Amino acid sequence: AQSVSQHNHHVILSEAASLELGCNYSYGGTVNLFWYVQYPGQHLQLLLKYFSGDPLVKGIKGFEAEFIKSKFSFNLRKPSVQWSDTAEYFCAVTLDTGGFKTIFGAGTRLFVKA
Amino acid sequence: DARVTQTPRHKVTEMGQEVTMRCQPILGHNTVFWYRQTMMQGLELLAYFRNRAPLDDSGMPKDRFSAEMPDATLATLKIQPSEPRDSAVYFCASGPRTKDTQYFGPGTRLTVL
Repeated sequence: AQSVSQHNHHVILSEAASLELGCNYSYGGTVNLFWYVQYPGQHLQLLLKYFSGDPLVKGIKGFEAEFIKSKFSFNLRKPSVQWSDTAEYFCAVTLDTGGFKTIFGAGTRLFVKA
Repeated sequence: DARVTQTPRHKVTEMGQEVTMRCQPILGHNTVFWYRQTMMQGLELLAYFRNRAPLDDSGMPKDRFSAEMPDATLATLKIQPSEPRDSAVYFCASGPRTKDTQYFGPGTRLTVL
């Protein structure tokens, strides 16, 4: 069955530390890839997305993600986190199965210590 | 700045009661999604519509849940009868296309006692 795995459920970092959140999916066909962020008490909003082209995509607030097709991965990175990055991060994959189906990962809660 | 709106934001009800949640998608978006978020299950897709037609509701318990789009500006999710296990945050999202970015509403926090 198709699935999206986020390896870390909770991550705690100090400010200025580098961040990498893993995301892997299980589907061999065409995909669109997304990272969403949910700040405390707020709704989910788009951080970045990949449809095609350059596999390294840049999003808002200094985030970037790299699509590695051979590894079925779309990891999220940020060189230096800030306290305001404390949030929950969701990887999502839209599968082209004839129709389109979006699957969200379980989410990673990031806490950044000031 | 166009946004998805949801009402009510919070709902507390007793087991067995009917619950109706409403969503107004962003004008011009032709795809609407309903999700349920719990600590245990994370974010689950319940149903989605394109051009007001239901495309997939396989994630929804059919015996008690129903989702409709009476018109392009309103999507509803009903639970009848509600059960304590339905307690969750229910999000509506809309998008310009099924495979594109989804814009989420603020959610309805449902508590069933």
